Amino acid sequence: QVQLQESGPGLVKPSETLSLTCTVSGGSISSYYWSWIRQPPGKGLEWIGYISSTGSTNYNPSLKSRVTISVDTSTNQFSLKLSSVTAADTAVYYCARERVGSLYNWFDPWGQGTLVTVSS
Amino acid sequence: SSELTQDPAVSVALGQTVRITCQGDSLRGYYASWYQQKPGQAPVLVIYSTINRPSGIPDRFSGSSSGNTASLTITGAQAEDEADYYCNSRDSSGNWFGGGTKLTVL
Repeated sequence: QVQLQESGPGLVKPSETLSLTCTVSGGSISSYYWSWIRQPPGKGLEWIGYISSTGSTNYNPSLKSRVTISVDTSTNQFSLKLSSVTAADTAVYYCARERVGSLYNWFDPWGQGTLVTVSS
Repeated sequence: SSELTQDPAVSVALGQTVRITCQGDSLRGYYASWYQQKPGQAPVLVIYSTINRPSGIPDRFSGSSSGNTASLTITGAQAEDEADYYCNSRDSSGNWFGGGTKLTVL
C-alpha cells in the first residue's frame, strides 16, 4: 500500500526557510492531492496546504504568504517550503495523501511525521 | 477561517458508549472526517465522508451528522481506544481541524 516519508533538516534558524520533502512509495503520486499538516508540541493539527499531481495548490490563508508546495512526479515526491520562520513554526510536520471532492476531503495515509525546531 | 469546536476531554467506562462531537458552520454543507492519534504516533483516519469507516477500522467506530454538528461514536469502548480524536472538514476557503478531544477509557 501507499507509504509516505518526510525528510529534511530538524533544526532551522529564525528568519530562514524551512524545507521538507515527502517521498511517496508503493503507488503513483498521480491522480491524487498531497498535503502538509503540522502539529506544534502538545497542540492540535493545522492544515498547511495541498498540491495536486498536476500542480494546482491551495494554502491555509493564515500561512499563504510564506508557503510554497511543489510536486515532482518523476521522483514521486512533493515538497514544502515555509519562509521567514519563527519559534511558532516549531512543530511535527506530516505529509499525507488527501482525497478531495466537491463536498468532502480526508487524509489517508499519513507519513510518520518529522519534528522541525526553529532555534538559533 | 472556519472553526471546528470539540470538547477538550471526554471519558468513558470500559465497554460503554461514548460520543465525541464537532461543531462548525462548514459541517452544514461539507462532510467530516475523524482521526485517532495516540501519543508519539501519526493520526489515523477512522471515519471519512461523515459516516464511512475505512477498511481495518473496527465497527465499534461510527459517524453521524446533524445540522452543524458531526459526531464520532464508539460503541463498547476498549482500552486501546484511549487517544486524541480530531475532526476535519473543508469549506470554500480551506481545510480545518477541530482542536481535538482527549478520550480517557476508565
